[in-house]
Amino acid sequence: AQSVTQPDIHITVSEGASLELRCNYSYGATPYLFWYVQSPGQGLQLLLKYFSGDTLVQGIKGFEAEFKRSQSSFNLRKPSVHWSDAAEYFCAVGGGSYIPTFGRGTSLIVHP
Amino acid sequence: GAGVSQTPSNKVTEKGKYVELRCDPISGHTALYWYRQSLGQGPEFLIYFQGTGAADDSGLPNDRFFAVRPEGSVSTLKIQRTERGDSAVYLCASSSDRGLYNEQFFGPGTRLTVL
Repeated sequence: AQSVTQPDIHITVSEGASLELRCNYSYGATPYLFWYVQSPGQGLQLLLKYFSGDTLVQGIKGFEAEFKRSQSSFNLRKPSVHWSDAAEYFCAVGGGSYIPTFGRGTSLIVHP
Repeated sequence: GAGVSQTPSNKVTEKGKYVELRCDPISGHTALYWYRQSLGQGPEFLIYFQGTGAADDSGLPNDRFFAVRPEGSVSTLKIQRTERGDSAVYLCASSSDRGLYNEQFFGPGTRLTVL
């Protein structure tokens, strides 16, 4: 079975600081990996995805993530956070099934 | 519209009542998914449609939950004899075809509260 762990429920950063959100997955083969962002009252929006190839993936809004097979991780990063990045972030894993499994999410709080 | 829409945005009902939640996918998208998101959790899969048929309903928690997509576009999630534990945000997503390489586009959700 596939599963995702997002160990941080909340992360607080200052505007302009760098950000890293952690994601660990469990899957028996090469996974499909995703990061979504959910703002209040909005649907989930795909930030980036990894299927194969280059393990460093660039996404929208200046986000990137790195797939590390040896660590079963797919951490999300951003070099400089903006106040508008405050939201809930979800990591998801999929594979042979077309149904992704989501983590519980990390709430990002941005201080001015 | 350009995106996935869901109605109503909020629904408050009493325990034991019947509710229907509607999803309008992006035009032309053949795949449609329903998820349930409880407070403090990520979305959990309920059911997936490819066209008019339910290709996978393994996530439906029990037989009180049912969903239809009669014309391969709009879908309705139906919950009978609602219970307080059904309170959650119900999300709908659509994609151009099945398969995880096809991006799922999510609607804003329907927040269901069962009193």
